[in-house]
Amino acid sequence: EPEVTQTPSHQVTQMGQEVILRCVPISNHLYFYWYRQILGQKVEFLVSFYNNEISEKSEIFDDQFSVERPDGSNFTLKIRSTKLEDSAMYFCASSDDNSNQPQHFGDGTRLSIL
Amino acid sequence: AQSVTQLGSHVSVSEGALVLLRCNYSSSVPPYLFWYVQYPNQGLQLLLKYTSAATLVKGINGFEAEFKKSETSFHLTKPSAHMSDAAEYFCAVSGPSGTYKYIFGTGTRLKVLA
Repeated sequence: EPEVTQTPSHQVTQMGQEVILRCVPISNHLYFYWYRQILGQKVEFLVSFYNNEISEKSEIFDDQFSVERPDGSNFTLKIRSTKLEDSAMYFCASSDDNSNQPQHFGDGTRLSIL
Repeated sequence: AQSVTQLGSHVSVSEGALVLLRCNYSSSVPPYLFWYVQYPNQGLQLLLKYTSAATLVKGINGFEAEFKKSETSFHLTKPSAHMSDAAEYFCAVSGPSGTYKYIFGTGTRLKVLA
């Protein structure tokens, strides 16, 4: 079964540094998402992306965050200047429809900011 | 705004006993509802979904959930728990229109006792 893959599985970064989290969605999917889960808290929506543009974003997704689909396969989340509170598990998801079709999630990238 | 409540952050059942994990949503219009399972160090795996077809939905691994509009509930059940069911379970809601991001509940960690 096709999978969403995320790299790296664990990223350790100094505060203030830029970090790029990478995702390869399922190949025929058109809708892409990033979520995050701070340790001990619920999974939170960050951003959705369709047709090469952001379709929706949360309050968390401020100017420090950006997303990009640089080629036909990758979907990236960039944090420009990381803060301690960015430490979390980041999940990428994709779906082939934006209504009732489920989103398929990757295994996540654990981001640790020192 | 849409919200999801999962009662019980931790649930323990004996092996072979009924599993009941509760999920209530807040919406005047029935949304799309999903249950996901997360095993340690893994991503979110879809168990089942409700998309306004049958109110009793069967999923993988013997799980099922019943959509009850009058109670705004979508509780997850399994007749007989297995040790391998120990994991964290998340209820999520999206839609029904205009937005397809997931709103997650806080999760329920299921422990299965031998």
